[in-house]
Order: sequence, then structure tokens, then C-alpha cells
Amino acid sequence: AQSVTQLDSQVPVFEEAPVELRCNYSSSVSVYLFWYVQYPNQGLQLLLKYLSGSTLVKGINGFEAEFNKSQTSFHLRKPSVHISDTAEYFCAVTPRVRNDMRFGAGTRLTVKP
Amino acid sequence: DTGVSQDPRHKITKRGQNVTFRCDPISEHNRLYWYRQTLGQGPEFLTYFQNEAQLEKSRLLSDRFSAERPKGSFSTLEIQRTEQGDSAMYLCASSPSTGTDLSPLHFGNGTRLTVT
Repeated sequence: AQSVTQLDSQVPVFEEAPVELRCNYSSSVSVYLFWYVQYPNQGLQLLLKYLSGSTLVKGINGFEAEFNKSQTSFHLRKPSVHISDTAEYFCAVTPRVRNDMRFGAGTRLTVKP
Repeated sequence: DTGVSQDPRHKITKRGQNVTFRCDPISEHNRLYWYRQTLGQGPEFLTYFQNEAQLEKSRLLSDRFSAERPKGSFSTLEIQRTEQGDSAMYLCASSPSTGTDLSPLHFGNGTRLTVT
């Protein structure tokens, strides 16, 4: 079975600073990778996904993530964060052969003025 | 696009009571999923439907839990004889079936269950 580890439970940053949210996964089969965001009192929204092709994936709201197969990582980055980026971010993985999505425990990003 | 709709948003119940939640997926989506999310954790997979067929169930889904999708549209999740450990956010998600490419899940806002 696949699993996801998000290395930081909380990441506080100042507005306009860069941020990286770390995600490592393990799986015995090829996988698809996702980042979801959850704003307070809302459902999860897809930020970006890696299915195949270029290892650098761009998503909504200026976020991007890079798939590194050798390090089994899929870290999320943004060069300059806004107050409105304050939310919980979840990394997720699913095997390519079936839809069985597993989520990490989440990283709470807090952007301070 | 009305999105995935879940009802109710909040449910408070006494231990031992039964509860039922409803999920209405995006209309053209034939795949429907239930997840459970507890505080400080990511969503945990519970079960998955393709149309009306329940194709997969997690071992987290004890015999007190049952899910149905009778006509391949909306789904219900019932918890019998609720326990305090059942307190969580119950999330529903849907996705279309698009052949070999995997479609991301579209989540509802969830039903928050509190068992007292």
C-alpha cells in the first residue's frame, strides 16, 4: 500500500516570503501525486496534480510542485505568499492502477503580515 | 457547476444513536468516495462507488457503518450505535470516469459529526 508523509505539521511565514511544504511518499507501484488545499470551514480543493510528463507542475494561485522520483518527494513551493494562502495543505498519492487516494496528515500554513 | 453537496453540515448526537449523512455528487460523475477526517489528520479512505456498485471498503469501515448509492446518483452513509470515537468530519468526493487518465476528486464541504 502507498503512504504519504508530510514532514512539517505547521509552517509559519511572513507575507511575501517564499515557502516550501515538504511531502514524501512510499509505494511499490507507480503513482499519481496531488496537492489539495483546505481553507477554514471549506472542503478540499485541488491545487495541482502530477500524472506524467514534466516533473515541474504548476497549479492554481501561483503554487508549483516538483516530482522527484529518486527521492520519492513531491514538495510544494510558492515564491511569494499572501495572507490569503493561510490554510491546511494536503499531499495525496494514488496508484496508477486504481483510484485509492491516500492523504498525508496535512501542513498548516500560516502567513503573517 | 453546483459542486458536491453534503447534508447536514453539522450533526450532534448522543452515543448509541444512529445517524445518516447524504452526499449529492456532481451530476455527471459516476465515481463517489467517502472519507473521514479527524482533527490534525488527513482524510482517511472509507469506501468507493462506481455508479451503484460499492467497489472497495476500508477496514476502517466497521460493521456499524454502511454506505449505499442505490441509483448511482446520491449516496448515504449510516453509522449505527454511534461511539465517541466516531466524532469526525465525514467527507464525500466524486470524480468522472475518464478511461486511463485519473481524474482528481472533487470534495464536498463535509458533515461534522459530534457524538456526546
